[in-house]
Amino acid sequence: EVQLVESGGGLVQPGGSLRLSCAASGFTFSSYWMSWVRQAPGKGLEWVANIKQDGSEKYYVDSVKGRFTISRDNAKNSLYLQMNSLRAEDTAVYYCARVWGWGYYFDYWGQGTLVTVSS
Amino acid sequence: QSALTQPPSASGSPGQSVTISCTGTSSDVGGYNYVSWYQQHPGKAPKLMIYEVSKRPSGVPDRFSGSKSGNTASLTVSGLQAEDEADYYCSSYAGSKRVVFGGGTKLTVL
Repeated sequence: EVQLVESGGGLVQPGGSLRLSCAASGFTFSSYWMSWVRQAPGKGLEWVANIKQDGSEKYYVDSVKGRFTISRDNAKNSLYLQMNSLRAEDTAVYYCARVWGWGYYFDYWGQGTLVTVSS
Repeated sequence: QSALTQPPSASGSPGQSVTISCTGTSSDVGGYNYVSWYQQHPGKAPKLMIYEVSKRPSGVPDRFSGSKSGNTASLTVSGLQAEDEADYYCSSYAGSKRVVFGGGTKLTVL
């Protein structure tokens, strides 16, 4: 059974940093692109970042470029999101998702971890 | 990277059909046959319902169907059931390994 379990969310002050983790199991992690998708409270979904199987390619939504870094450790079956210079508008539930197919669909999702940026 | 445009709400009675639209541009919806739809119940993670415009993953009822014309994609739910009440999000590949979502549509089963 595919499982994605996020952790690392919490309350952080504006300008602060946070590192999210996603532990994957039930599939060959190193064979898939992975993504982070976020959802602000009461709002819609927003794709945040993608990373290739070997970590050699990374892509970001414009609003987080230069502040967020996606990474992975295939030996630990883990995906990460390092978030720096956090802003109030980064407040959201952050989902880890497995990427599938040529159209970059998200076929499995974690339960999400809440990041709140507030003073 | 603008969000795709969806109506904020849609509704229908049990047994009826409802269609949700998703409008983008030639850089996303119109440029690729890589439109997908996700269902999200309150407090839950999204679930993939449709991919490649009209294909259903295993386990998704055939009451759910998708289509596309130009820059607009559509999700149709036929034979509405109470459990179909949820938020629905469209998504499209937007080139350069990027993905864009719609703003979401709240489907109410009357």
